Amino acid sequence: SQQGEEDPQALSIQEGENATMNCSYKTSINNLQWYRQNSGRGLVHLILIRSNEREKHSGRLRVTLDTSKKSSSLLITASRAADTASYFCATDVRTGANNLFFGTGTRLTVIP
Amino acid sequence: NAGVTQTPKFRVLKTGQSMTLLCAQDMNHEYMYWYRQDPGMGLRLIHYSVGEGTTAKGEVPDGYNVSRLKKQNFLLGLESAAPSQTSVYFCACRTRTGELFFGEGSRLTVL
Repeated sequence: SQQGEEDPQALSIQEGENATMNCSYKTSINNLQWYRQNSGRGLVHLILIRSNEREKHSGRLRVTLDTSKKSSSLLITASRAADTASYFCATDVRTGANNLFFGTGTRLTVIP
Repeated sequence: NAGVTQTPKFRVLKTGQSMTLLCAQDMNHEYMYWYRQDPGMGLRLIHYSVGEGTTAKGEVPDGYNVSRLKKQNFLLGLESAAPSQTSVYFCACRTRTGELFFGEGSRLTVL
């Protein structure tokens, strides 16, 4: 499978704590993307990191990419109850239109 | 400000019935996609389109047809619905830098 695989499948933390989710993949990539999905809603793009980048920040989000290990991590700092959602990584594996493959997601619960 | 709009949001069908899901975007993107999301399986690509008048098969195209007669619209059809097609369907369009914008989803139940 060309899908990314997120780890853990589920994560429960207290508000204010940091949340770390990991994504592993198997093939070479152009970029890797993270998405959030609130219950019953569509996916929302969070951040894109290119294969030649190692770290990227956006607000309380920090993404790292290690192409030698074929892995990425998403860190959410100072979590809030509103961060409760499922988080998906998506690997962009080749040029063209049919190139983005999604994992099965990490379900994050932030307890107020 | 709608972005990607899917209709209907909910639908219940009986086995063998047909229906069409409509996706409309107001962002002028060329690439559009239809995914299905099932528990524990993530998102799987059904069909996609790289522009008006073009369509192509994705990972799980069987039982579905699509049309892209206008750039802003991408239709997904089920000719003879089956219980295995019970799912949540998402439409998305892609920016030039590769990010996807998703609709809010269409929940389909086939009895």
